[in-house]
Amino acid sequence: QVQLVQSGAEVKKPGASVKVSCKASGYTFTTYYMHWVRQAPGQGLEWMGIINVRDGSTTYAQKFLGRVTMTRDTSTSTVYMELNSLRSEDTGVYYCARIRPGSHLDHWGQGTLVSVSS
Amino acid sequence: QSVLTQPPSVSGAPGQRVTISCTGSNSNIGAGYDVHWYQQVPGTAPKVVIYDNINRPSGVPDRFSGSKSGTSASLAITDLQAEDEADYYCQSFDNSLSDFWVFGGGTKLTVL
Repeated sequence: QVQLVQSGAEVKKPGASVKVSCKASGYTFTTYYMHWVRQAPGQGLEWMGIINVRDGSTTYAQKFLGRVTMTRDTSTSTVYMELNSLRSEDTGVYYCARIRPGSHLDHWGQGTLVSVSS
Repeated sequence: QSVLTQPPSVSGAPGQRVTISCTGSNSNIGAGYDVHWYQQVPGTAPKVVIYDNINRPSGVPDRFSGSKSGTSASLAITDLQAEDEADYYCQSFDNSLSDFWVFGGGTKLTVL
């Protein structure tokens, strides 16, 4: 069965960076694009960007341009999301989610809580 | 401010029917892009309950249904159950924004 398993919770100081991993299993890794979605405490879902797992190309949401980098390692079926220059507003749960081609996010990781505090 | 507008909250008693609206514009829903609905129980990851406007994944009860007309879409839940209490988000594609993947602001469903 399809599984997306994310790395554990992180606590960071303002100005630091965080790198969240998402390990996929149960399907052909390079067949599906992967999205990253953020959810601040008590808030809604916020799209961060998408990575083409086959060739590594990315598209990022305007809000995160210059601060986010999404990469993948096809040898370990893992995608990564790195966010730099962290501020308190970046506190939240970060999800990876697989997109069914041309359609919806059909499988989600369990989420990774990132806390940014001095 | 979300591109797709949802009511912040809806409620209903067990057994009743509720609907959640998702209002967009001619650059997203009105342009013909599909709408998907996600259910999120607090503390868990979202899961899709309706995709491509009207389709229900296996395992989702047939009490859930979706519809779309013009620049809006709706999620209907009949025979409301306690386990339906969750946050619901609509999602679509927008061709006027650099951020083409858009979510609604979410609707909290309370089962009274």
